[in-house]
Amino acid sequence: AQSVAQPEDQVNVAEGNPLTVKCTYSVSGNPYLFWYVQYPNRGLQFLLKYITGDNLVKGSYGFEAEFNKSQTSFHLKKPSALVSDSALYFCAVRDMTESSYKLIFGSGTRLLVRP
Amino acid sequence: DAMVIQNPRYQVTQFGKPVTLSCSQTLNHNVMYWYQQKSSQAPKLLFHYYDKDFNNEADTPDNFQSRRPNTSFCFLDIRSPGLGDAAMYLCATSRGTTYGYTFGSGTRLTVV
Repeated sequence: AQSVAQPEDQVNVAEGNPLTVKCTYSVSGNPYLFWYVQYPNRGLQFLLKYITGDNLVKGSYGFEAEFNKSQTSFHLKKPSALVSDSALYFCAVRDMTESSYKLIFGSGTRLLVRP
Repeated sequence: DAMVIQNPRYQVTQFGKPVTLSCSQTLNHNVMYWYQQKSSQAPKLLFHYYDKDFNNEADTPDNFQSRRPNTSFCFLDIRSPGLGDAAMYLCATSRGTTYGYTFGSGTRLTVV
């Protein structure tokens, strides 16, 4: 079964410092991986995806993610955090089993960027 | 701008009183999904439509139903809401299976 794990419930970082939000995955076959961000009382906003190609994927708002097949990881990164980046982040994998189109989400990581 | 619109943003309903949440899209995506999200937990898929084909998740309660009268609209009907159904309901769309989802802003349902 396809799954993703986000091992950290919360990540704290000071503004201006680099940030990493971790995600590991378990899939059969090639993974389709995604990161979404959710602000309070809002829907999920797409940040970036990995389907194929370069292992370093660049996305919205200065975020990027590195696909690492050997470590089955897809960590979200940003070189310099902003207070406005504080939100809930979800990693997700596309379920590629037959007749299924759903995204399977991790449990979420709350990012808190302090001034 | 092409988008996914959910109405209303906030819905209060009485225990046991049927309620309908709506979702519309201007993206012309062929797949539409309804997710339930409780207390900042991971969204949980309730069901989805691939074109007109309805796909129910095995653990979605019978209390939840859905309709998709055309490509642009999809509705979530909760026949007899219980206190445990209070949650954020997220509608999403996608074009086929290769791409990510586009989410609406969600409807926060309160059951009193």
